[in-house]
Amino acid sequence: QVQLQQSGPGLVKPSQTLSLTCVISGDSVSNDNAAWNWIRQSPSRGLEWLGRTYYRSNWYHGYAPFLKSRITIYADTSNNQFSLQLTSVTPEDTAVYFCTREPKGTGEFDSWGQGTLVTVSS
Amino acid sequence: QSALTQPASVSGSPGQSITISCTGTSSDVGGYNYVSWYQQHPGKVPKLMILEVSNRPSGVSHRFSGSKSGNTASLTISGLQAEDEADYFCSSYTSSNTWVFGGGTKVTVL
Repeated sequence: QVQLQQSGPGLVKPSQTLSLTCVISGDSVSNDNAAWNWIRQSPSRGLEWLGRTYYRSNWYHGYAPFLKSRITIYADTSNNQFSLQLTSVTPEDTAVYFCTREPKGTGEFDSWGQGTLVTVSS
Repeated sequence: QSALTQPASVSGSPGQSITISCTGTSSDVGGYNYVSWYQQHPGKVPKLMILEVSNRPSGVSHRFSGSKSGNTASLTISGLQAEDEADYFCSSYTSSNTWVFGGGTKVTVL
């Protein structure tokens, strides 16, 4: 049973950096079949895929084009976790953020973190 | 990448079958067999119901089935039950090596 436990602040000031971490239990962030994703959800924008990281002999990343210059997703193998950083946030980035697992890398998000409501406000 | 198009709402009576559509383009739904469907109850985390167009994960009821024709994927719920009342989202791989979601469909059991 894979479990994903998210942590990070629920309030971020405009222009600052949003940082969230997802600790994995029951799988390895270095699993060379899986991919590890961040997805967010808001009433105005619905579900949005943000990006992912995965290991295939080397580490790879993929990001949503609309965020490409602001987003970084990286893995920490020592702590079996992966993290999201989103820079220069605005109120438009207010959403519930989820970390998810794709066990085969074919878009099947089968395990989800509990969700973190991040509000961007001064 | 534009969101996939889903009807805002679909309803049906207990025992009936309903179908939710998910329309994209040849650059996403039509071009790949990587369409997934998710169920989300209010305040809960989305749950994977269908992967790779028509495959059910272990533990998902056989009442849920998926299919695709051209640029449109579909989720059918047979023998509708009260517990099926939820929001449903589709997602697809895209030619940009990204994933895109539909806007969601609210299913109401009458």
